[in-house]
Amino acid sequence: AQRVTQPEKLLSVFKGAPVELKCNYSYSGSPELFWYVQYSRQRLQLLLRHISRESIKGFTADLNKGETSFHLKKPFAQEEDSAMYYCALSHGSARQLTFGSGTQLTVLP
Amino acid sequence: DTGVSQDPRHKITKRGQNVTFRCDPISEHNRLYWYRQTLGQGPEFLTYFQNEAQLEKSRLLSDRFSAERPKGSFSTLEIQRTEQGDSAMYLCASSLLRGSTSGKTYEQYFGPGTRLTVT
Repeated sequence: AQRVTQPEKLLSVFKGAPVELKCNYSYSGSPELFWYVQYSRQRLQLLLRHISRESIKGFTADLNKGETSFHLKKPFAQEEDSAMYYCALSHGSARQLTFGSGTQLTVLP
Repeated sequence: DTGVSQDPRHKITKRGQNVTFRCDPISEHNRLYWYRQTLGQGPEFLTYFQNEAQLEKSRLLSDRFSAERPKGSFSTLEIQRTEQGDSAMYLCASSLLRGSTSGKTYEQYFGPGTRLTVT
């Protein structure tokens, strides 16, 4: 069965510091992974998908199949990055998402 | 507004009552998903429609839950004989296949959710 693990429920960093949000997955097939973000009082929105290898709002994430990880990184955190971040794995014929339990990132001034 | 919409945004009901939620997906999206999110957890998949056909149901979807998507447009999720354990945020998402030279992906767009409280 597929599983997504985000080991940190809470993460605090200072503005300008690097940030890394961890995500590990378990899946027997070829993984398709996403990072979703939810800002306060807003809906869940897509931040990154591994297949496009893009950088959004300064965030990047690299799929490491050997370590079954898809960690989210940003070299210099900003206060507006404070939000809940979810890692998700798309699978099955329906391409439904299995989410991790989320990491609440707080960027301190 | 061209995003996914859900109605109502909040619902408070007494145990044993029936409730129905509505989701309007992005108009050209043929895939529609329902998820449930409880406090401190990520969303969990409930069911999936491709056009009007319900093609996948999670084991989380007990017999008290039913979902429809008539004519492949909006969808409804009904919970009969609600229980306190049904209290959660119910999320709807829609998607459309996107293709590229590097691969194809179904990017899901989420609605704001319906927060259900069963007293």
